[in-house]
This record gives sequence, structure tokens and C-alpha cells, in this order.
Amino acid sequence: EAGVVQSPRYKIIEKKQPVAFWCNPISGHNTLYWYRQNLGQGPELLIRYENEEAVDDSQLPKDRFSAERLKGVDSTLKIQPAELGDSAVYLCASSSSDRSSYEQYFGPGTRLTVT
Amino acid sequence: LAKTTQPISMDSYEGQEVNITCSHNNIATNDYITWYQQFPSQGPRFIIQGYKTKVTNEVASLFIPADRKSSTLSLPRVSLSDTAVYYCLVGDRWSGGYNKLIFGAGTRLAVHP
Repeated sequence: EAGVVQSPRYKIIEKKQPVAFWCNPISGHNTLYWYRQNLGQGPELLIRYENEEAVDDSQLPKDRFSAERLKGVDSTLKIQPAELGDSAVYLCASSSSDRSSYEQYFGPGTRLTVT
Repeated sequence: LAKTTQPISMDSYEGQEVNITCSHNNIATNDYITWYQQFPSQGPRFIIQGYKTKVTNEVASLFIPADRKSSTLSLPRVSLSDTAVYYCLVGDRWSGGYNKLIFGAGTRLAVHP
């Protein structure tokens, strides 16, 4: 079974430029998460989707961050414009809606460097 | 959501048993304790989950005392490949807490030859 796929793995951009990250969750997983992980810290949830619906986006900086999950499968996270402080690893994870399955499966992440 | 406290770092040697203790004094009745492992340049990976007493799988054991205010992840006979960051989390497994994971800074385990 394929795991969570993310692209690109690395991205370097100049500040004020836009950037987008893509995630394809594990097949059949209805719940999708985007996390941000700063150096030396644990992942911080940005947004959680149940199918197409964003059910928890309280930690998403909505002035510059946006996300979508059209058709309830893959998802895109966008930053526009990027700031120096956005440099981090952006992780995507997915999980099954079956409550007997409680694991979150993480992708390898996209390392963003804003210069 | 209960907050967890765990050591920032630990060192061990190959072949030794490693025990990482996590404090969660405000754990709620419905909360489960979950541990994730993260290698460099990878996302976290689920290791083990438990509610009380002892849970064991092919990777680790989880010991939870009766008051559940702490838990200990035990890694038997570690190898160099166990060098990673280990996160302790608590959440209500049955009311969606499993998808409201709050990660702390974790414990950075370094295994030496």
C-alpha cells in the first residue's frame, strides 16, 4: 500500500513569492491533515479535513495561507505571499474515519526555505 | 487536552534498554496515551498506544501506572537505527481526540555504538 505522498520535497523561494504544496493521502483515508514543523519542534496542526470539509482550521494563518481538498482526495496548501518565518517543514498526514483505527500516517514533508 | 512533559534528550548505547517517561498529570478519563517516532527528514510514525497497565508490540512496550499521570515507553535492546525523536501525546481516542494530536518538542534519543 502506498503511503502519503507529498511534493515537492524541497522548495526554496524568495520572500513575498507564492508557494504551493501538494499531498495525496492513503487511499480510502477520509481525514487529511496539514502540519507545520519548525526546527527542533514537534508538528503543529494547521488544518484538518473530513472529506472535502475543513473541520478544524483554527491554527491556519488565513491572511496568507489557504488550503483546498477538492473531491475529498488530494489536497493543496498555499502560502501567498511567503515570509521568512514560514521556513519550516510542511507535513501532510491522513487517517481513516474508522474509530477503531486511530493512527495518523504522515508523509515525508516538504522543506520550505524562504530567503 | 492534556499537556505532556518529557525529557528533551537522552543518550544510550547499542544493546541497552531505553525507558522514556512522559508526565501527563491532567489526563482525562477518556484519554489514550500514544507515542510517535520521527527520524530525520521523515514524518512521525505511530509506535504504540495504550490506556492502562501494559501494552507490548513488536517495537516497544508501554507501561502506564494505575493513576495514569505518567507513562513509560520502553525500547528493548536499542540499535543505532533507533536514534530519533519520540513524542508522547494524549487524546480522546473515541471522540476525535485521535485527530487532535498536540505534539510537544519530544525526546531526542541518541544511540551510540
